[in-house]
Amino acid sequence: SQQGEEDPQALSIQEGENATMNCSYKTSINNLQWYRQNSGRGLVHLILIRSNEREKHSGRLRVTLDTSKKSSSLLITASRAADTASYFCATDEWLTGGGNKLTFGTGTQLKVEL
Amino acid sequence: NAGVTQTPKFQVLKTGQSMTLQCAQDMNHEYMSWYRQDPGMGLRLIHYSVGAGITDQGEVPNGYNVSRSTTEDFPLRLLSAAPSQTSVYFCASSYGRKETQYFGPGTRLLVL
Repeated sequence: SQQGEEDPQALSIQEGENATMNCSYKTSINNLQWYRQNSGRGLVHLILIRSNEREKHSGRLRVTLDTSKKSSSLLITASRAADTASYFCATDEWLTGGGNKLTFGTGTQLKVEL
Repeated sequence: NAGVTQTPKFQVLKTGQSMTLQCAQDMNHEYMSWYRQDPGMGLRLIHYSVGAGITDQGEVPNGYNVSRSTTEDFPLRLLSAAPSQTSVYFCASSYGRKETQYFGPGTRLLVL
């Protein structure tokens, strides 16, 4: 089952503009992570925000978390063509065996045009 | 550090063949896991391990086998490949269950 659902599914902007992607989830979480995936490549970890945090920054990235609404947003400021990729949110579920499972949404495809 | 490495990058199998996807990490992470990524399905957990000698099933374990004899390595075995196992496979590792999971570059598998 998909816990995180990203919105929009696709986003096209001009270089220099800001890009905002949203993620909604269904159950309680320990933390939420955002990943980037370039076409045909692996997943690159961007940022982790814990359930007791509301906002986190990393360079041009800003992530917010609203646990009451079960939602998160990723803002990329001053976008560049190199930011073109798919972006996924992943919620963290602890497993009975002692491990944890990331549940990913289907992602937002961001295209930044020159 | 090399991080999480996976081999091979790409593999073509015939139905019924077996193979092992390799995963290794040099970060001394206790937690390792295997995911598969399919269009429209997101990533789904196949198997995971919380330490050497300990493995457990994820969401979609059927047709796959794992073992964890060392902290560094976590191979995934396809026992008898089926076309439904055509996918991109990612290995991930983390220091602990509350921490960031780092992913390898993936193995693209095609089963004919």
